[in-house]
Amino acid sequence: DQQVKQNSPSLSVQEGRISILNCDYTNSMFDYFLWYKKYPAEGPTFLISISSIKDKNEDGRFTVFLNKSAKHLSLHIVPSQPGDSAVYFCAASVGSNYQLIWGAGTKLIIKP
Amino acid sequence: GAGVSQSPSNKVTEKGKDVELRCDPISGHTALYWYRQSLGQGLEFLIYFQGNSAPDKSGLPSDRFSAERTGGSVSTLTIQRTQQEDSAVYLCASSFMDSGTYEQYFGPGTRLTVT
Repeated sequence: DQQVKQNSPSLSVQEGRISILNCDYTNSMFDYFLWYKKYPAEGPTFLISISSIKDKNEDGRFTVFLNKSAKHLSLHIVPSQPGDSAVYFCAASVGSNYQLIWGAGTKLIIKP
Repeated sequence: GAGVSQSPSNKVTEKGKDVELRCDPISGHTALYWYRQSLGQGLEFLIYFQGNSAPDKSGLPSDRFSAERTGGSVSTLTIQRTQQEDSAVYLCASSFMDSGTYEQYFGPGTRLTVT
């Protein structure tokens, strides 16, 4: 039973355009969400997070949106750059529980 | 270095052999996690250490898997009598639990191939 789902295994976007990565979850108890980015042969690196008390968090070119009623979050990258090509994972947790539940990842390819 | 390090980076072993994977967390980080990632899958939680507390082993897939953390720092994940389904990338992460965030810092992983 996948509690965190990333239904798009891959996404291709033109450089300079907006990249939108989606994540759905089933556990309504999740109250903290994170996005990680992973390059080949490296471990994931933290990108941006959002608490369930917010519906938007912005950090430079990266914005995460949370729709609690739809149990959906998205990561927007604008403008997309070649260095953004990577696998993006969303993860979720409940309260102070240290365990993160991870999605399967979406491979983002930025075309020049 | 300042980041999480793991060794070896790659390990090829024959089915039935034991393997040991090592993780050096970031200095001062009190929490340490082991995950594995099979091809096309998300990260699967294996085990968690926090300070001197008993580890959370709830994610270990079988009793062939064990882990220890010596002196609150370096951790070793041991897989006994390896099976082909153990082939995966094993990732270690550490975090500073008192920071109030859930951010985990990952090492580069060990790619284990069981032939």
